[in-house]
Amino acid sequence: QSALTQPRSVSGSPAQSVTISCTGTSSDVGGYNYVSWYQHHPGKAPKLMIYDVIKRPSGVPDRFSGSKSGNTASLTISGLQVEDEADYYCCSYAGSNTLAVFGGGTKLTVL
Amino acid sequence: QVQLQESGPGLVKASETLSLTCAVSDSSIISSGYYWGWIRQPPGKGLEWIGTISHSGSTYYSVSLKSRVTVSVDTSKNHFSLRLTSVTASDTAIYYCARRNRPAAFDIWGQGTMVTVSS
Repeated sequence: QSALTQPRSVSGSPAQSVTISCTGTSSDVGGYNYVSWYQHHPGKAPKLMIYDVIKRPSGVPDRFSGSKSGNTASLTISGLQVEDEADYYCCSYAGSNTLAVFGGGTKLTVL
Repeated sequence: QVQLQESGPGLVKASETLSLTCAVSDSSIISSGYYWGWIRQPPGKGLEWIGTISHSGSTYYSVSLKSRVTVSVDTSKNHFSLRLTSVTASDTAIYYCARRNRPAAFDIWGQGTMVTVSS
């Protein structure tokens, strides 16, 4: 099972919006509506931001939204804030044997 | 509030076995209905799913690690464990345990524990 493909880095200015893509195959991203996104600040535990492609856990700001088209999922962060600067990882269900496959991660820089 | 805490040796010799434990507080591993997993992050690299165990004891492993990994549960201590055999330098990583509440969605994580494989 290969890792999902994410851009290495993205950047944006405060108040702007950015979108991070996550490309897989019909065996993972495209085959199930089970994509999640994690925010990871170095030295801390990853934090679940989106699950089931579009759902936000309690406490996650509605500035964070998820979507999917075909084999590509996306995380959009609107109204960028300095504290959003972090690494972001997507993760997809890939069947009853491979319960999870992660993307390579995207470093978000808020300029 | 459910909390997870990893524990185990921070240094393991190459070719030996890495063993870690994840203590779960304020939630029963067996009766909660959740799945419980291990994820790691090598230095400078991304997250990698290692394996998951269900509340009923079914196990699921990464294809690339399957031959060396065992995840198990100790119901008496309410913790679950990771065992990785024949380790090499490429197994050096921060190891996290986490609760899975939906497919591919890990909603509660431990703080992580760094394991270094030495030659």
